[in-house]
Amino acid sequence: AQKVTQAQTEISVVEKEDVTLDCVYETRDTTYYLFWYKQPPSGELVFLIRRNSFDEQNEISGRYSWNFQKSTSSFNFTITASQVVDSAVYFCALSDDAGGTSYGKLTFGQGTILTVHP
Amino acid sequence: ETGVTQTPRHLVMGMTNKKSLKCEQHLGHNAMYWYKQSAKKPLELMFVYNFKEQTENNSVPSRFSPECPNSSHLFLHLHTLQPEDSALYLCASSQELAGGSEETQYFGPGTRLLVL
Repeated sequence: AQKVTQAQTEISVVEKEDVTLDCVYETRDTTYYLFWYKQPPSGELVFLIRRNSFDEQNEISGRYSWNFQKSTSSFNFTITASQVVDSAVYFCALSDDAGGTSYGKLTFGQGTILTVHP
Repeated sequence: ETGVTQTPRHLVMGMTNKKSLKCEQHLGHNAMYWYKQSAKKPLELMFVYNFKEQTENNSVPSRFSPECPNSSHLFLHLHTLQPEDSALYLCASSQELAGGSEETQYFGPGTRLLVL
């Protein structure tokens, strides 16, 4: 069965600090997809990144970077030089292939509440 | 026009009321989803529609009734709800390809529902 664990319930940092959000997943499939979403106070989940299990290259997008390590089943997310606008709930999610019969079954972690203070 | 819209954004209803939530996607996707987000719980998938056919019903009580008249619109009909059904209801859409490649789901802003 799929499982996503975000052990950090809440993180509080001061602006310009770097912060890393942890995500650990479990799946029996060899083909799977990992996602990060941001949920600001308005409620909408904003897609940040999608990564398939065969692509272990780390990715950087502006102040955001992601570290995918299959050996430890982790897909961590780092925000460099955090800003107040980064304050939100961040969700890690997993979708596996389930034999190609399971469309859209995203399993979400509990989310990490990030607060960036000025 | 934003990708996925939901109306109403806020809804208060009594346990005997009947109401409907509406979701519309402007992304040309062929799959749509309903999720429930309760306080201190992970997002829960409720229903999946793929090419207008319901492909997933995640053991959702019958007081929630989905309807997908076409690939752009999705409704969630509510009747005789309970206070514990109060939550944020999120709609999402994706473009599913043959073989189930698990494409990215794009979410709407949600409807905050309060059941009194």
